[in-house]
Amino acid sequence: GDSVTQMEGPVTLSEEAFLTINCTYTATGYPSLFWYVQYPGEGLQLLLKATKADDKGSNKGFEATYRKETTSFHLEKGSVQVSDSAVYFCALSGGDKIIFGKGTRLHILP
Amino acid sequence: DTAVSQTPKYLVTQMGNDKSIKCEQNLGHDTMYWYKQDSKKFLKIMFSYNNKELIINETVPNRFSPKSPDKAHLNLHINSLELGDSAVYFCASSQGSARGSGYTFGSGTRLTVV
Repeated sequence: GDSVTQMEGPVTLSEEAFLTINCTYTATGYPSLFWYVQYPGEGLQLLLKATKADDKGSNKGFEATYRKETTSFHLEKGSVQVSDSAVYFCALSGGDKIIFGKGTRLHILP
Repeated sequence: DTAVSQTPKYLVTQMGNDKSIKCEQNLGHDTMYWYKQDSKKFLKIMFSYNNKELIINETVPNRFSPKSPDKAHLNLHINSLELGDSAVYFCASSQGSARGSGYTFGSGTRLTVV
């Protein structure tokens, strides 16, 4: 079945560091890919998405490119802030539901 | 004017009790979902309704029963609560297929069974 694998955390970085969170997927067909973010005590918020190969999703300085050849959707940000501390979920959808990765906790130190 | 609202936000109850969680969305979406998030943050889909019709029913104990009185509401009733039911339950909605637009999530209901 479809699945998502993302790097385990926690990931700890200093403010203004470069961020990469790796995500790979297994799916039949051509799913849409998503990154969601969950701040403490809150629900998940859609951060960005891409619906076809080579699409780049971007939002709030974060970006990810849908790479069909490597079945990847890595999340990147050039300069992280303390306020980016949260849990990040990579996800895919081939149709009627979204399948989530296990989440990566990100800590940004001032 | 919260888009997807869940009540209650916190629920502490004893084993064996029956409880309900309510969810309402004011986005005009036609599909609603229930997910369970365990203590390790893993999210697993439980149910999905499209226009009041059940379309996804994952392997969930039949103590869990969803009810959708209209397309804006999806409630979750849990009978004979067990310790292992302790988790955060999220309601979500989407317009049409999740593939196109992703979900809008509620803020979650933290259920603690003691």
